[in-house]
Amino acid sequence: QKEVEQDPGPLSVPEGAIVSLNCTYSNSAFQYFMWYRQYSRKGPELLMYTYSSGNKEDGRFTAQVDKSSKYISLFIRDSQPSDSATYLCAMTDTGFQKLVFGTGTRLLVSP
Amino acid sequence: EAGVVQSPRYKIIEKKQPVAFWCNPISGHNTLYWYLQNLGQGPELLIRYENEEAVDDSQLPKDRFSAERLKGVDSTLKIQPAELGDSAVYLCASSVSGSSYEQYFGPGTRLTVT
Repeated sequence: QKEVEQDPGPLSVPEGAIVSLNCTYSNSAFQYFMWYRQYSRKGPELLMYTYSSGNKEDGRFTAQVDKSSKYISLFIRDSQPSDSATYLCAMTDTGFQKLVFGTGTRLLVSP
Repeated sequence: EAGVVQSPRYKIIEKKQPVAFWCNPISGHNTLYWYLQNLGQGPELLIRYENEEAVDDSQLPKDRFSAERLKGVDSTLKIQPAELGDSAVYLCASSVSGSSYEQYFGPGTRLTVT
């Protein structure tokens, strides 16, 4: 079993939809949770990170962490075609020994 | 501010040939990472540097892979000899020391071994 599980998709939505992307994990030592966006043939781009449980909002993006369920989410409001990319979750413990990535979810937003 | 710079962007070589990738991190970032990303997968750490010191190279296949970070800035990752299974994207990332949750990635080098 992988430490971090992420549905590979693809997830297809119409423009303007609310998108929910999720990851589950097994290592209870993880404390920092990150979301990266990766366009085709580009490097991952950090969207936001969250420490421990709770919510964090940045524009149209909201990250949620539920440590009791070992479940994290990224919500995208008013999705745009330019949001079409692969979204990677990543996490690490406070010792920063290793950043563990999910496999990524491919998102397609159609006009 | 310039981001992480990598070169070359693409490289095609025959198996058993050597290959090298170069990375210039963001100015002021003491921590540098090399990752391997296979198609449809997330990046996997190969090696992490704190300044000139390789502090985590447990995932680096040392029989054929080597890396260096002279003067604690630029870094080079080398494969010798390359195998077909080495075809992947090699990503470099950097961060401020102690902030591995805030890593910034370069565009990667796409390696194809024929």
